[in-house]
Amino acid sequence: GQQLNQSPQSMFIQEGEDVSMNCTSSSIFNTWLWYKQEPGEGPVLLIALYKAGELTSNGRLTAQFGITRKDSFLNISASIPSDVGIYFCAGLQGAQKLVFGQGTRLTINP
Amino acid sequence: GAVVSQHPSWVICKSGTSVKIECRSLDFQATTMFWYRQFPKQSLMLMATSNEGSKATYEQGVEKDKFLINHASLTLSTLTVTSAHPEDSSFYICSASPLAGGFHNEQFFGPGTRLTVL
Repeated sequence: GQQLNQSPQSMFIQEGEDVSMNCTSSSIFNTWLWYKQEPGEGPVLLIALYKAGELTSNGRLTAQFGITRKDSFLNISASIPSDVGIYFCAGLQGAQKLVFGQGTRLTINP
Repeated sequence: GAVVSQHPSWVICKSGTSVKIECRSLDFQATTMFWYRQFPKQSLMLMATSNEGSKATYEQGVEKDKFLINHASLTLSTLTVTSAHPEDSSFYICSASPLAGGFHNEQFFGPGTRLTVL
Protein backbone atom coordinates (compact mmCIF):
# COMPACT_ATOMS: atom_id res chain seq x y z
CA GLY A 1 0.00 0.00 0.00
CA GLN A 2 0.89 3.65 -0.14
CA GLN A 3 3.55 4.75 2.32
CA LEU A 4 5.00 7.92 3.60
CA ASN A 5 8.75 8.18 4.07
CA GLN A 6 9.47 9.86 7.37
CA SER A 7 12.90 10.88 8.56
CA PRO A 8 14.83 10.72 10.68
CA GLN A 9 13.74 7.48 12.33
CA SER A 10 15.14 8.60 15.66
CA MET A 11 16.69 11.67 17.21
CA PHE A 12 18.75 12.12 20.36
CA ILE A 13 19.03 15.76 21.35
CA GLN A 14 19.81 17.98 24.29
CA GLU A 15 17.07 19.84 26.08
CA GLY A 16 16.61 23.26 24.54
CA GLU A 17 17.63 22.24 21.04
CA ASP A 18 15.38 22.63 18.05
CA VAL A 19 14.05 19.57 16.22
CA SER A 20 13.14 19.08 12.59
CA MET A 21 11.57 16.08 10.92
CA ASN A 22 9.94 15.58 7.55
CA CYS A 23 7.77 13.33 5.46
CA THR A 24 7.73 12.73 1.73
CA SER A 25 5.40 10.82 -0.52
CA SER A 26 5.34 9.76 -4.13
CA SER A 27 1.65 10.65 -4.19
CA ILE A 28 -0.22 13.87 -3.58
CA PHE A 29 -2.18 14.34 -0.37
CA ASN A 30 -4.72 17.08 0.17
CA THR A 31 -4.30 17.03 3.93
CA TRP A 32 -1.22 16.41 6.05
CA LEU A 33 -1.40 15.74 9.75
CA TRP A 34 1.20 15.45 12.49
CA TYR A 35 0.59 13.27 15.55
CA LYS A 36 2.48 12.49 18.74
CA GLN A 37 2.26 9.11 20.41
CA GLU A 38 3.48 8.29 23.89
CA PRO A 39 4.14 4.72 25.08
CA GLY A 40 1.01 2.64 25.49
CA GLU A 41 -1.29 5.36 24.18
CA GLY A 42 -3.02 6.33 20.97
CA PRO A 43 -1.76 9.17 18.78
CA VAL A 44 -2.77 12.73 19.56
CA LEU A 45 -3.19 15.30 16.80
CA LEU A 46 -0.67 18.15 16.93
CA ILE A 47 -1.16 20.06 13.71
CA ALA A 48 -3.36 19.70 10.64
CA LEU A 49 -2.47 21.22 7.26
CA TYR A 50 -5.06 21.67 4.56
CA LYS A 51 -3.54 23.88 1.88
CA ALA A 52 -0.39 23.52 -0.17
CA GLY A 53 2.22 25.94 1.12
CA GLU A 54 0.39 26.40 4.43
CA LEU A 55 2.57 27.10 7.45
CA THR A 56 0.87 26.50 10.78
CA SER A 57 2.07 26.85 14.36
CA ASN A 58 0.88 25.34 17.60
CA GLY A 59 2.94 26.74 20.44
CA ARG A 60 6.54 25.64 19.91
CA LEU A 61 5.51 23.43 16.99
CA THR A 62 5.50 24.60 13.39
CA ALA A 63 4.53 22.54 10.39
CA GLN A 64 4.39 23.23 6.69
CA PHE A 65 2.50 21.61 3.84
CA GLY A 66 4.80 21.42 0.82
CA ILE A 67 3.91 23.26 -2.36
CA THR A 68 3.94 20.04 -4.35
CA ARG A 69 1.57 18.45 -1.78
CA LYS A 70 3.99 15.54 -1.56
CA ASP A 71 5.86 16.57 1.57
CA SER A 72 5.60 18.19 4.96
CA PHE A 73 7.91 19.07 7.81
CA LEU A 74 7.49 19.55 11.53
CA ASN A 75 9.75 21.71 13.66
CA ILE A 76 9.86 21.82 17.44
CA SER A 77 11.67 24.76 18.95
CA ALA A 78 13.42 24.84 22.32
CA SER A 79 12.69 21.22 23.17
CA ILE A 80 11.66 20.25 26.69
CA PRO A 81 11.56 16.82 28.38
CA SER A 82 7.82 16.36 27.78
CA ASP A 83 8.43 16.50 24.03
CA VAL A 84 9.75 12.94 24.24
CA GLY A 85 7.68 10.50 22.21
CA ILE A 86 7.11 9.24 18.70
CA TYR A 87 5.98 11.70 16.08
CA PHE A 88 4.03 10.50 13.07
CA CYS A 89 3.10 12.28 9.91
CA ALA A 90 -0.06 11.16 8.16
CA GLY A 91 -1.62 11.93 4.82
CA LEU A 92 -5.34 11.87 4.27
CA GLN A 93 -6.21 9.70 1.30
CA GLY A 94 -9.63 10.41 -0.09
CA ALA A 95 -12.17 11.57 2.48
CA GLN A 96 -11.15 9.51 5.47
CA LYS A 97 -8.27 7.08 5.08
CA LEU A 98 -5.10 8.04 6.94
CA VAL A 99 -1.73 6.78 5.75
CA PHE A 100 0.97 7.07 8.40
CA GLY A 101 4.71 7.57 8.16
CA GLN A 102 7.11 5.27 9.99
CA GLY A 103 7.51 7.66 12.89
CA THR A 104 10.36 9.66 14.43
CA ARG A 105 11.35 8.63 17.93
CA LEU A 106 12.50 11.67 19.89
CA THR A 107 14.73 11.27 22.94
CA ILE A 108 15.84 14.29 24.96
CA ASN A 109 18.82 14.40 27.27
CA PRO A 110 18.24 16.83 30.12
CA GLY B 1 -14.54 16.92 24.25
CA ALA B 2 -14.02 14.29 21.51
CA VAL B 3 -12.91 11.48 23.79
CA VAL B 4 -12.59 7.92 22.55
CA SER B 5 -12.18 5.03 24.96
CA GLN B 6 -11.14 1.44 24.43
CA HIS B 7 -11.74 -1.60 26.59
CA PRO B 8 -9.84 -3.50 27.70
CA SER B 9 -6.57 -1.57 27.77
CA TRP B 10 -4.69 -4.84 27.70
CA VAL B 11 -5.55 -8.50 27.39
CA ILE B 12 -3.63 -11.76 27.52
CA CYS B 13 -5.23 -14.82 26.03
CA LYS B 14 -4.41 -18.36 25.03
CA SER B 15 -3.86 -19.32 21.42
CA GLY B 16 -7.10 -20.36 19.74
CA THR B 17 -9.40 -18.20 21.84
CA SER B 18 -11.34 -15.15 20.67
CA VAL B 19 -10.94 -11.67 22.06
CA LYS B 20 -13.34 -8.73 21.79
CA ILE B 21 -12.14 -5.14 21.95
CA GLU B 22 -14.57 -2.26 22.37
CA CYS B 23 -14.21 1.26 21.04
CA ARG B 24 -16.54 3.97 22.31
CA SER B 25 -16.93 7.64 21.46
CA LEU B 26 -17.83 9.12 24.84
CA ASP B 27 -19.06 12.61 24.03
CA PHE B 28 -19.92 12.53 20.36
CA GLN B 29 -21.61 10.35 17.79
CA ALA B 30 -19.41 8.72 15.20
CA THR B 31 -20.61 7.76 11.77
CA THR B 32 -17.31 6.11 11.05
CA MET B 33 -14.82 4.29 13.21
CA PHE B 34 -11.45 2.95 12.16
CA TRP B 35 -9.36 0.06 13.46
CA TYR B 36 -5.57 0.16 13.28
CA ARG B 37 -2.89 -2.30 14.25
CA GLN B 38 0.57 -1.28 15.43
CA PHE B 39 3.41 -3.74 15.88
CA PRO B 40 6.31 -2.78 18.18
CA LYS B 41 8.36 0.12 16.88
CA GLN B 42 6.25 0.31 13.75
CA SER B 43 3.65 2.64 12.37
CA LEU B 44 -0.13 2.40 12.54
CA MET B 45 -1.63 0.35 9.75
CA LEU B 46 -5.31 0.69 8.93
CA MET B 47 -7.13 -2.62 9.18
CA ALA B 48 -10.69 -1.65 8.43
CA THR B 49 -13.20 1.18 8.22
CA SER B 50 -16.47 0.69 10.02
CA ASN B 51 -19.67 2.59 9.27
CA GLU B 52 -22.61 2.41 11.63
CA GLY B 53 -25.21 -0.07 10.45
CA SER B 54 -23.26 -1.43 7.52
CA LYS B 55 -20.49 -3.91 6.84
CA ALA B 56 -16.94 -2.89 7.48
CA THR B 57 -14.51 -2.24 4.66
CA TYR B 58 -11.29 -4.16 5.14
CA GLU B 59 -7.86 -3.18 3.85
CA GLN B 60 -6.03 -5.48 1.51
CA GLY B 61 -4.46 -8.38 3.35
CA VAL B 62 -6.71 -8.18 6.41
CA GLU B 63 -8.87 -11.28 6.88
CA LYS B 64 -12.45 -10.23 7.50
CA ASP B 65 -13.36 -13.62 8.95
CA LYS B 66 -10.56 -13.39 11.47
CA PHE B 67 -11.09 -9.77 12.49
CA LEU B 68 -14.83 -9.35 12.97
CA ILE B 69 -16.02 -5.76 13.23
CA ASN B 70 -19.43 -4.68 14.45
CA HIS B 71 -20.56 -1.05 14.52
CA ALA B 72 -23.98 -1.43 16.05
CA SER B 73 -24.46 2.13 17.27
CA LEU B 74 -23.14 5.61 16.68
CA THR B 75 -20.97 5.38 19.79
CA LEU B 76 -19.71 1.79 19.79
CA SER B 77 -17.64 -0.40 17.50
CA THR B 78 -16.20 -3.76 18.43
CA LEU B 79 -13.31 -5.72 16.99
CA THR B 80 -13.23 -9.46 17.66
CA VAL B 81 -10.02 -11.32 16.97
CA THR B 82 -11.15 -14.87 16.36
CA SER B 83 -8.96 -17.89 17.00
CA ALA B 84 -6.11 -15.66 18.04
CA HIS B 85 -2.53 -16.78 17.51
CA PRO B 86 0.76 -15.36 18.78
CA GLU B 87 1.32 -13.48 15.52
CA ASP B 88 -1.87 -11.52 16.27
CA SER B 89 -0.19 -10.03 19.33
CA SER B 90 -0.13 -6.30 18.71
CA PHE B 91 -1.39 -2.90 19.81
CA TYR B 92 -4.88 -2.32 18.41
CA ILE B 93 -6.03 1.30 18.18
CA CYS B 94 -9.40 2.62 17.13
CA SER B 95 -10.38 6.08 16.00
CA ALA B 96 -13.72 7.77 15.48
CA SER B 97 -14.90 10.47 13.13
CA PRO B 98 -17.73 12.72 14.38
CA LEU B 99 -21.23 12.54 12.92
CA ALA B 100 -21.08 16.24 12.06
CA GLY B 101 -17.98 15.60 10.03
CA GLY B 102 -15.77 17.41 12.47
CA PHE B 103 -13.32 19.69 10.78
CA HIS B 104 -12.19 18.03 7.60
CA ASN B 105 -13.32 14.62 8.90
CA GLU B 106 -10.94 14.64 11.85
CA GLN B 107 -10.33 11.32 13.58
CA PHE B 108 -10.00 11.06 17.34
CA PHE B 109 -7.94 8.13 18.56
CA GLY B 110 -8.52 5.80 21.46
CA PRO B 111 -5.76 4.87 23.92
CA GLY B 112 -5.22 1.46 22.35
CA THR B 113 -5.51 -2.16 23.49
CA ARG B 114 -2.43 -4.31 23.96
CA LEU B 115 -3.19 -7.90 22.92
CA THR B 116 -0.79 -10.67 23.88
CA VAL B 117 -1.54 -14.17 22.65
CA LEU B 118 0.32 -16.94 24.42
